[in-house]
Amino acid sequence: DVKVTQSSRYLVKRTGEKVFLECVQDMDHENMFWYRQDPGLGLRLIYFSYDVKMKEKGDIPEGYSVSREKKERFSLILESASTNQTSMYLCASSRDRAAQPQHFGDGTRLSIL
Amino acid sequence: GNSVTQMEGPVTLSEEAFLTINCTYTATGYPSLFWYVQYPGEGLQLLLKATKADDKGSNKGFEATYRKETTSFHLEKGSVQVSDSAVYFCALLKAAGNKLTFGGGTRVLVKP
Repeated sequence: DVKVTQSSRYLVKRTGEKVFLECVQDMDHENMFWYRQDPGLGLRLIYFSYDVKMKEKGDIPEGYSVSREKKERFSLILESASTNQTSMYLCASSRDRAAQPQHFGDGTRLSIL
Repeated sequence: GNSVTQMEGPVTLSEEAFLTINCTYTATGYPSLFWYVQYPGEGLQLLLKATKADDKGSNKGFEATYRKETTSFHLEKGSVQVSDSAVYFCALLKAAGNKLTFGGGTRVLVKP
């Protein structure tokens, strides 16, 4: 089975801090995604990557950046955390560009104080 | 642009009741349609999918039929269990695309 592992289940940070969320997948998938999940809004795509060192903006990239130095790891970076970035963050991977399903990690609940 | 609209929850049911969660979409062309489920404390997992009009996806007693004429993909289960308590997301993938568009999610609570 594919495993997508997010480094933290819960994280509390302060406004203005630089925050790193890490995601690792173990199935050599090409595509990796970062979403945020908010009640009533479903999942919204922040960034995705279809290859090492490649990235594309999703629907809500403002205030975020990403890094993919190795195929198995995709990091989400909050350059200067703000309270409106308090949310559940979900990482996902898929075999190729149009492949489904996407395999999701268990999520990181991030609180910015 | 593409969009997915789901009925708002929470939906509260008794065990063995019939469940319907409505989902309608807006998209050009012929998207693929999906239902994902999120159990408490977990990430999302694919429940079922349909890739063309009139296809029926099914899994774990759940069914959904891709209706192009009504742009809908409603999820149904004839007899729910407490273990079906979860949040359900409808999603679409446009043709030749690689980004899912999700609905807002519907929380379902099944009581014994």
